[in-house]
Amino acid sequence: DAGVIQSPRHEVTEMGQEVTLRCKPISGHDYLFWYRQTMMRGLELLIYFNNNVPIDDSGMPEDRFSAKMPNASFSTLKIQPSEPRDSAVYFCASSNRDGGYGYTFGSGTRLTVV
Amino acid sequence: GESVGLHLPTLSVQEGDNSIINCAYSNSASDYFIWYKQESGKGPQFIIDIRSNMDKRQGQRVTVLLNKTVKHLSLQIAATQPGDSAVYFCAEKSGFQKLVFGTGTRLLVSP
Repeated sequence: DAGVIQSPRHEVTEMGQEVTLRCKPISGHDYLFWYRQTMMRGLELLIYFNNNVPIDDSGMPEDRFSAKMPNASFSTLKIQPSEPRDSAVYFCASSNRDGGYGYTFGSGTRLTVV
Repeated sequence: GESVGLHLPTLSVQEGDNSIINCAYSNSASDYFIWYKQESGKGPQFIIDIRSNMDKRQGQRVTVLLNKTVKHLSLQIAATQPGDSAVYFCAEKSGFQKLVFGTGTRLLVSP
């Protein structure tokens, strides 16, 4: 298994532009999580899905952030419009129903908004 | 004003020493705990887990201890190697399928 795949690895964009981060979870995992990591706040859970349905989006910072999971093998996190304070590393993780081995994380997308 | 970054506690050890990384968790109802290792430029990687009905679990060179009375978790790494240098996070499961991560500890291993 290739693990959780995220793209792009790095993204540099100008303030005000739309940014879309992508994630392919491990096949068979029915939970998907989006995290954001910054030096200021550490690892923060933004949103998670179960069987493609958003379960808890209380961590999404504001309306500029949205996430979708149109099918079991793909999810997107969109920021529109982006702001410099959105600069962070965004991780996607997936887990199976039992979660017995915790979450498997992707390698992350480093987002820089200038 | 000047912003203050997240201060990571740092543990510095010599190669070959044993390392102990500690974590205080917050929710007495948490029933599952995990230690993750994060190397620079990578995502967190699962190391070892423990359920609340256990107080000790051993893996290869790692041991996790759980003290529910004082809500304390520790990770012991035997014969620490330079490749163990990373940031280590504890995480607790609070509610169904929702892990909450601690702030992390940086482990520096000197050869």
